[in-house]
Amino acid sequence: EAQVTQNPRYLITVTGKKLTVTCSQNMNHEYMSWYRQDPGLGLRQIYYSMNVEVTDKGDVPEGYKVSRKEKRNFPLILESPSPNQTSLYFCASSRKREETQYFGPGTRLLVL
Amino acid sequence: GNSVTQMEGPVTLSEEAFLTINCTYTATGYPSLFWYVQYPGEGLQLLLKATKADDKGSNKGFEATYRKETTSFHLEKGSVQVSDSAVYFCALFTGTASKLTFGTGTRLQVTL
Repeated sequence: EAQVTQNPRYLITVTGKKLTVTCSQNMNHEYMSWYRQDPGLGLRQIYYSMNVEVTDKGDVPEGYKVSRKEKRNFPLILESPSPNQTSLYFCASSRKREETQYFGPGTRLLVL
Repeated sequence: GNSVTQMEGPVTLSEEAFLTINCTYTATGYPSLFWYVQYPGEGLQLLLKATKADDKGSNKGFEATYRKETTSFHLEKGSVQVSDSAVYFCALFTGTASKLTFGTGTRLQVTL
């Protein structure tokens, strides 16, 4: 089944404790992206990747890192999480950047 | 920059009522337009899309027409069901930005 998977689905952590949210797609898509969803703000892009080893900042990249060492994986790294990073995070992928994006199920993060 | 404006929610309708969710956009270039739906506890799913002016996207009884002259992409359904209860996001994509720009979402609740 074609899908985008994210892990974990739910995470509670404390300020400053490094964490990684994994994202994997099995559709051989070139383009991958991370978004955060906050009430009243919709979804905002954090980082995106056009292909392996090619990443770029989105609208709200501060406090996040990403890497794209393999085509299928695009992990989101929070080196030192803060409470303002409490949010619902979505990974998405598409065959090409201009084509329809497919979303993962989301990761709900709470930073205390 | 690009932006999407959606009508405020929540929208509460009785089953079989007519639905309209307004969406207008501002974009440079010629965007592709999308409606995504988010059911409770799930990720976003593409509902329909239109890639050029006057195109009509349709799926599951929902329709939206790309109106360049009014920069709009309103979502309509003739007869809603309880199972349509979800959050609906209007979004646009332009090649220059390499990302989806989302509206803030409109929550639809359909009651018996």
